[in-house]
Amino acid sequence: ETGVTQSPTHLIKTRGQQVTLRCSSQSGHNTVSWYQQALGQGPQFIFQYYREEENGRGNFPPRFSGLQFPNYSSELNVNALELDDSALYLCASSDLAASSYNEQFFGPGTRLTVL
Amino acid sequence: LAKTTQPISMDSYEGQEVNITCSHNNIATNDYITWYQQFPSQGPRFIIQGYKTKVTNEVASLFIPADRKSSTLSLPRVSLSDTAVYYCLVGDLGGGSQGNLIFGKGTKLSVKP
Repeated sequence: ETGVTQSPTHLIKTRGQQVTLRCSSQSGHNTVSWYQQALGQGPQFIFQYYREEENGRGNFPPRFSGLQFPNYSSELNVNALELDDSALYLCASSDLAASSYNEQFFGPGTRLTVL
Repeated sequence: LAKTTQPISMDSYEGQEVNITCSHNNIATNDYITWYQQFPSQGPRFIIQGYKTKVTNEVASLFIPADRKSSTLSLPRVSLSDTAVYYCLVGDLGGGSQGNLIFGKGTKLSVKP
């Protein structure tokens, strides 16, 4: 069973640029959720993708967007980067069809620094 | 929104039982309570989940009173490797209100020898 993987591990961008982060979900999982975790804070829910459709969204602006592919992997895109976007970005996979659907498996995260 | 409140930090010694309480006064009917452990520079790791009463697995127990406005994670006989940040998450991942998924600010547990 393959766990959740994310790439890249670290990324440095400048303000105004665009970034794409990638996530491969755990084998058998059909749902990917993305979180932003600022230093010293708990993760904040960005959005969730289920069967290639956005299935819920937190309080993040439209410049945060995503995709889910037929193999359930996912991308998080952030346009017009701001300094406050510097954070650890986590993806988590789960299986919404299972009785344990609230159990999420997190990847190691991508550390994004915006200069 | 089910806002959660946890103690910022706790200290313990090896071999002791540790109880961490999370308050979630506005929990919704469909919300579950899930606890995660996080080490520095790693993603959170699932510990335990419950809806009401008591749940126990091989690493922890979760106590939820009848009103569900709080929950207590119990770690039996902690070791140095249990030093981490512990988060409670309240919400329903599949309920159509995922935007209401709220992580607390976490409790930093320090286990001393």
